[in-house]
Amino acid sequence: GENVEQHPSTLSVQEGDSAVIKCTYSDSASNYFPWYKQELGKRPQLIIDIRSNVGEKKDQRIAVTLNKTAKHFSLHITETQPEDSAVYFCAATVRGGADGLTFGKGTHLIIQP
Amino acid sequence: DVKVTQSSRYLVKRTGEKVFLECVQDMDHENMFWYRQDPGLGLRLIYFSYDVKMKEKGDIPEGYSVSREKKERFSLILESASTNQTSMYLCASSFISAGGGTDTQYFGPGTRLTVL
Repeated sequence: GENVEQHPSTLSVQEGDSAVIKCTYSDSASNYFPWYKQELGKRPQLIIDIRSNVGEKKDQRIAVTLNKTAKHFSLHITETQPEDSAVYFCAATVRGGADGLTFGKGTHLIIQP
Repeated sequence: DVKVTQSSRYLVKRTGEKVFLECVQDMDHENMFWYRQDPGLGLRLIYFSYDVKMKEKGDIPEGYSVSREKKERFSLILESASTNQTSMYLCASSFISAGGGTDTQYFGPGTRLTVL
């Protein structure tokens, strides 16, 4: 089955700086890569996703890049703000998610004031 | 606005008890999923269903079963609860997109289950 590795497990950045979280996946058939943000005590919420026919996608301060050849994808957050502090999970799936998502273990992003 | 609800936020059970966790979604989604979330392990898929009466095993189905008698409701059953099933359980639901895959998965608030 699919295996997703996520790094780093903890990331601390100064407010206003950029943050990058990286994930690799094992199944070359995976075609859908969502990113979820989970604040303390709350449910995971989708923040951005990308499909395998696209190399990059951007939504305001958040962007995701996908390298299918290398089987890795990354989340980029620019101009970080205190409300960006949370745990971020990447995920991958075959068939667009019909088989459920395989998640990375999460990155705890800490924004230092 | 998509709404996924779970029957309990917190649950405490004894070893050997039969436990039912219920999830309801109000968006007529075809797909429903059960995950468990443990510190340092992320979310792991237990079971999922793409239609009424249908079920598929996920990555960690051992010790669990599921039931989907109605489209909006998906139940997770622990036949005989054990201490290693102490965890946060998250339900999710999604549409099937035009290409045959799923659209965004929307999560419920979670049930924190403690087995003593």
